[in-house]
Amino acid sequence: GQNIDQPTEMTATEGAIVQINCTYQTSGFNGLFWYQQHAGEAPTFLSYNVLDGLEEKGRFSSFLSRSKGYSYLLLKELQMKDSASYLCAVTKGATDSWGKFQFGAGTQVVVTP
Amino acid sequence: DGGITQSPKYLFRKEGQNVTLSCEQNLNHDAMYWYRQDPGQGLRLIYYSQIVNDFQKGDIAEGYSVSREKKESFPLTVTSAQKNPTAFYLCASNRAGNNEQFFGPGTRLTVL
Repeated sequence: GQNIDQPTEMTATEGAIVQINCTYQTSGFNGLFWYQQHAGEAPTFLSYNVLDGLEEKGRFSSFLSRSKGYSYLLLKELQMKDSASYLCAVTKGATDSWGKFQFGAGTQVVVTP
Repeated sequence: DGGITQSPKYLFRKEGQNVTLSCEQNLNHDAMYWYRQDPGQGLRLIYYSQIVNDFQKGDIAEGYSVSREKKESFPLTVTSAQKNPTAFYLCASNRAGNNEQFFGPGTRLTVL
């Protein structure tokens, strides 16, 4: 099976940086996704890591260490609109389960003025 | 525009009634998925389908049923056997071999 852990909530000030950690234990691993979800809306794709290292996309960066079962999402220059839940999801690479995600419970980020 | 549609956005039903949630995609994606989300929890997989006329149970399939008669459509029926059906339901799809999933806007089901 797969266990995915991430903090429940984080609070940060507008303009600051926040790092959301995600640890996972899995019997098979293909890649790790980060999604953003505003309340009552669908998740939207932020990043995808397959190999170890840092992927940067504008204000958002995601890091993966497969040997440690660890990832983080870094949000820089926080804006009020970044207040949302951030979901970590792991996928397996097996033929019968490609695309099948296991989601963490999500981290609610609250950005204050 | 290509995308995934779910309707309705809000749905109310009486306890004991079956209800069907629709999910349609025009992205030509092979696989489709149904998730359930409860407050403060992550998404949990109900059913998924990788090809037409075939589908697999996810982690919480009890009390739900699906069909996949067309590539574009993957309706979910919430039956009276589902003990706690009130939740936010999300449909997703992706292309074969491509892990990234695209999500529909969701249906919030409330059973009274």
